[in-house]
Amino acid sequence: DADVTQTPRNRITKTGKRIMLECSQTKGHDRMYWYRQDPGLGLRLIYYSFDVKDINKGEISDGYSVSRQAQAKFSLSLESAIPNQTALYFCATSDPTLSSYNEQFFGPGTRLTVL
Amino acid sequence: GENVEQHPSTLSVQEGDSAVIKCTYSDSASNYFPWYKQELGKRPQLIIDIRSNVGEKKDQRIAVTLNKTAKHFSLHITETQPEDSAVYFCAAHRYNFNKFYFGSGTKLNVKP
Repeated sequence: DADVTQTPRNRITKTGKRIMLECSQTKGHDRMYWYRQDPGLGLRLIYYSFDVKDINKGEISDGYSVSRQAQAKFSLSLESAIPNQTALYFCATSDPTLSSYNEQFFGPGTRLTVL
Repeated sequence: GENVEQHPSTLSVQEGDSAVIKCTYSDSASNYFPWYKQELGKRPQLIIDIRSNVGEKKDQRIAVTLNKTAKHFSLHITETQPEDSAVYFCAAHRYNFNKFYFGSGTKLNVKP
């Protein structure tokens, strides 16, 4: 969905570096999410936010932090990257007032490799 | 919390055959069950969903069934085509708990 964008799309970094992944959306949705995808493990929720003042931990928040700078922007940070954070990261948005209930609209993903 | 299990992890079928993917969930309060399709290198996209007050829903060649008592739901694809090849994820959601729990995914390969 072109309305949810992520930058960068690919990133290779070294152990110990600080990394920020950014997500922007033009859908006007209040709810935003960060997931990571690993082979055989599906999508696991890292953090989610229902508005600018609301931040919640997901299943696997350790080693990550987030910032909701505005309704349209939700950033994920790895303060000190480690190799097992190598994964595909997806941002998603949703609006439960839609008739599609709580459909998640995903961004294109960011492939992160930590060496 | 919720635990969603999905089987099989890989599924290979001949074009024109049917494919069935099954998921079980643990939280009896979950009431919304979407299915997402992720083509290679692309983002997951919703293909069909079902709410707990419905036992079956169909949309052309795809259908989803839900058994609340047994806490399992299934995706059925009939007359499969090569473009159905993708990874499929099930998920469970509990209203107002604001989180989705995804299955581990099924890689479907439709052989022409």
